[in-house]
Amino acid sequence: DQQVKQNSPSLSVQEGRISILNCDYTNSMFDYFLWYKKYPAEGPTFLISISSIKDKNEDGRFTVFLNKSAKHLSLHIVPSQPGDSAVYFCAASVGNSGGSNYKLTFGKGTLLTVNP
Amino acid sequence: DAMVIQNPRYQVTQFGKPVTLSCSQTLNHNVMYWYQQKSSQAPKLLFHYYDKDFNNEADTPDNFQSRRPNTSFCFLDIRSPGLGDAAMYLCATSRDGQPRREQYFGPGTRLTVT
Repeated sequence: DQQVKQNSPSLSVQEGRISILNCDYTNSMFDYFLWYKKYPAEGPTFLISISSIKDKNEDGRFTVFLNKSAKHLSLHIVPSQPGDSAVYFCAASVGNSGGSNYKLTFGKGTLLTVNP
Repeated sequence: DAMVIQNPRYQVTQFGKPVTLSCSQTLNHNVMYWYQQKSSQAPKLLFHYYDKDFNNEADTPDNFQSRRPNTSFCFLDIRSPGLGDAAMYLCATSRDGQPRREQYFGPGTRLTVT
C-alpha cells in the first residue's frame, strides 16, 4: 500500500514557465515532507522540505505548498530552467520523539523535462 | 567534499551467488540507511543503523543482511541473489539534530543478477 503517491510519472514544461509537481499521502502521522531531485547516474539530492505546521516554504525558485486537510503537497519551480530536468521524489516522515533516525517514505517520482 | 560513496557502481552476480555492496561516508553521520529501488518504483527502505544499532524493516527478506564495522562504512550482503533482487541499491546517511530530516545519498549500485 503506497503511503506517498506521485500520480504523474512525467511532466514536460517550457523553459521560463512554472513547473508544478504534485504529491499525495495517506498516512496522517506524517509530519514532515521533503522533495528530492535525482539526475541520471547520481543519487537523490535534497531540494526543499516543509513541516506540517506550515503551509508554505520557499527557497529561491522552489516553493513547496502543503494542504494537510487534502493530504496533498506540491512543488512549484518558477521559472523553470533546462537544468531542472530530473526525476523529483516526494518523501515523508513521521516524528520520532527521542530519536533522530527519521525514516523516509518515498513516492515513485516524477520525471520533469524542461524544454528550451 | 564530504560525501557518500558506493562501490561498485555496477555489479553483476549470478543467481544464488553471494554478493556484497559497500558504502562509505566522510560526513561522520551516525545513521546509515540502505534502500532498494526497482525500475520506476519508489526507493524502499531495507534497514538502517542508528550508531551500532541495527533496525530491520518488517518486510525485508532474510536474504538481505547488513554490517557496519565502524561509523564510516556499511555493507549490504545478499546471501543468495534471485532475479527479483536486480535493482538499484542506494545508501544514505543522516545525523542527530538535523532540523530538516534530510538524508544524504550515494550514487547507488546497480545490481544485475544473471
